[in-house]
Amino acid sequence: GAVVSQHPSRVICKSGTSVKIECRSLDFQATTMFWYRQFPKQSLMLMATSNEGSKATYEQGVEKDKFLINHASLTLSTLTVTSAHPEDSSFYICSAGVGQWGNTIYFGEGSWLTVV
Amino acid sequence: EDQVTQSPEALRLQEGESSSLNCSYTVSGLRGLFWYRQDPGKGPEFLFTLYSAGEEKEKERLKATLTKKESFLHITAPKPEDSATYLCAVQATGSARQLTFGSGTQLTVLP
Repeated sequence: GAVVSQHPSRVICKSGTSVKIECRSLDFQATTMFWYRQFPKQSLMLMATSNEGSKATYEQGVEKDKFLINHASLTLSTLTVTSAHPEDSSFYICSAGVGQWGNTIYFGEGSWLTVV
Repeated sequence: EDQVTQSPEALRLQEGESSSLNCSYTVSGLRGLFWYRQDPGKGPEFLFTLYSAGEEKEKERLKATLTKKESFLHITAPKPEDSATYLCAVQATGSARQLTFGSGTQLTVLP
């Protein structure tokens, strides 16, 4: 079946540095991918919609200059957390849809970010 | 604004004790309702997509049903390996296909 892969699965970075998380669709093309954030014991909150070849669409309250999204190809979207702070520590998950309407939506394995 | 409410928040069952999880939703227009299973520290695992009231889908011990206001995930004779958080999400018509999630039901099946 369709697979979405994220890398890295875990990353620790120092405050003030930037970290990049990759999301790949392994056996299908995805013109649109989605980035979610999940805090412990809470549900997934949509951060932004990543559009291949154009600017990402950010949800209200998400700083686009802090969470840079690039969707340079039909199989790769990247999320860069810039000038990371401890409060950015979280579980970040991407997703992509397959099928006629993109209605079978698969998620990546998630990436744990810890900012120290 | 699209809203998804799941109940109960947590459910403990004995192995073999069947039960149902509820997902109530309000959405301007429903393109699809999704069920996922999430294990701790992992991304959600796709289970089902339901599109219209009256639709049902089954996978092993799980059966999902849909009405115009809610969806149920029925678990028949659960096993300990069914323990996980089950997430419900809706996709609205006219959206860019993003999902709005409920808070999930944490299921624990005791041996």
